[in-house]
Amino acid sequence: ELKVEQNPLFLSMQEGKNYTIYCNYSTTSDRLYWYRQDPGKSLESLFVLLSNGAVKQEGRLMASLDTKARLSTLHITAAVHDLSATYFCAVDRAGANSKLTFGKGITLSVRP
Amino acid sequence: DTEVTQTPKHLVMGMTNKKSLKCEQHMGHRAMYWYKQKAKKPPELMFVYSYEKLSINESVPSRFSPECPNSSLLNLHLHALQPEDSALYLCASSTPGGLRNQPQHFGDGTRLSIL
Repeated sequence: ELKVEQNPLFLSMQEGKNYTIYCNYSTTSDRLYWYRQDPGKSLESLFVLLSNGAVKQEGRLMASLDTKARLSTLHITAAVHDLSATYFCAVDRAGANSKLTFGKGITLSVRP
Repeated sequence: DTEVTQTPKHLVMGMTNKKSLKCEQHMGHRAMYWYKQKAKKPPELMFVYSYEKLSINESVPSRFSPECPNSSLLNLHLHALQPEDSALYLCASSTPGGLRNQPQHFGDGTRLSIL
């Protein structure tokens, strides 16, 4: 059974500082996704990571994937209030009936 | 605005009612999904349709009945729900499994409350 663990589950960040959050998964996976969810809202896709060593950046967020370690990191540069949200990672495996397995999510809160 | 449209946005129903949730996408995706999300929890997969055929049912109680009338539409028929079924119901779409290098696109969800 594929398991996805995220840590920490909650992170209070100070504006302007850098932080990293983590996503571990238990078995070989073909694709890893990062989503953002604001309270009461839907899930917004942030990144799709397809191969070992993949790195993607969007604004203050940078995601990377190490398939050998079964680990993805999401690095936050100079945190701002707008980044406050819950961040989910999810993994799936190839195949017609593949499905996403989500981690529990990491709630980020940025304080002045 | 999302490219996956869900209606209604909110629904309050009694345990004896019958209602339906609707989902529509026009991105040409041939895989569609229903998820249930409780507060402060990750989405839980309920059903997957691939090329309009049900491919995954995650042991969902029969009081939830999915339907995929065509490649753009996905319905979830509700009957005799329980209070614990109150949740945010999310629809998503994507290219089917093996071809998917793009993420699932989620709708805004229907917030369901069972009285």
